[in-house]
Amino acid sequence: GENVEQHPSTLSVQEGDSAVIKCTYSDSASNYFPWYKQELGKRPQLIIDIRSNVGEKKDQRIAVTLNKTAKHFSLHITETQPEDSAVYFCAASLPGSSYKLIFGSGTRLLVRP
Amino acid sequence: GAVVSQHPSRVICKSGTSVKIECRSLDFQATTMFWYRQFPKKSLMLMATSNEGSKATYEQGVEKDKFLINHASLTLSTLTVTSAHPEDSSFYICSAPSTTGGWETQYFGPGTRLLVL
Repeated sequence: GENVEQHPSTLSVQEGDSAVIKCTYSDSASNYFPWYKQELGKRPQLIIDIRSNVGEKKDQRIAVTLNKTAKHFSLHITETQPEDSAVYFCAASLPGSSYKLIFGSGTRLLVRP
Repeated sequence: GAVVSQHPSRVICKSGTSVKIECRSLDFQATTMFWYRQFPKKSLMLMATSNEGSKATYEQGVEKDKFLINHASLTLSTLTVTSAHPEDSSFYICSAPSTTGGWETQYFGPGTRLLVL
């Protein structure tokens, strides 16, 4: 089955710097890759997603890149702010369903003021 | 946007009792819903897929007799933790896919924190 690996597990950056989180997946048939932000005790919130027919997608300070050949995708946050501090999860859809997601292990991002 | 609710938000129960958690899609219909389990500082682990009108599909290693799932309508799925034990204590989150906005996206409920004493 699909396996998603995420790195790093923790990331500390200075406010204003960029943060990059990387994920790899095992099943080349996966075609949907969302990123979720989860604050302590809260539900995961979708922040950006990308589909396999696109190599890059950007939404203001957040961007995601996808390399299908290498089976990895990355989240880029620029001009980080303290409110970006949270746990970020990548996920990949299983073949045959864009709904069923397998999650990475999460990255705890701390943005220092 | 699509809204998913869960009830209760937290529950404390005695070992051996059963607990029912509800997941509702408030402004859209969902023929499929998903149940996840999350331990402190860990990732979301997919437990099962809830299918309206048919049996749930469980992931490997998840006991279907322990975690009963019923998808009673197009807006409601329930997860019942039967004969709960302390090791069942966890954060349970449901999700439902919606095509709101033109793309398929999965929306999560707020989660239910279960503590079994």
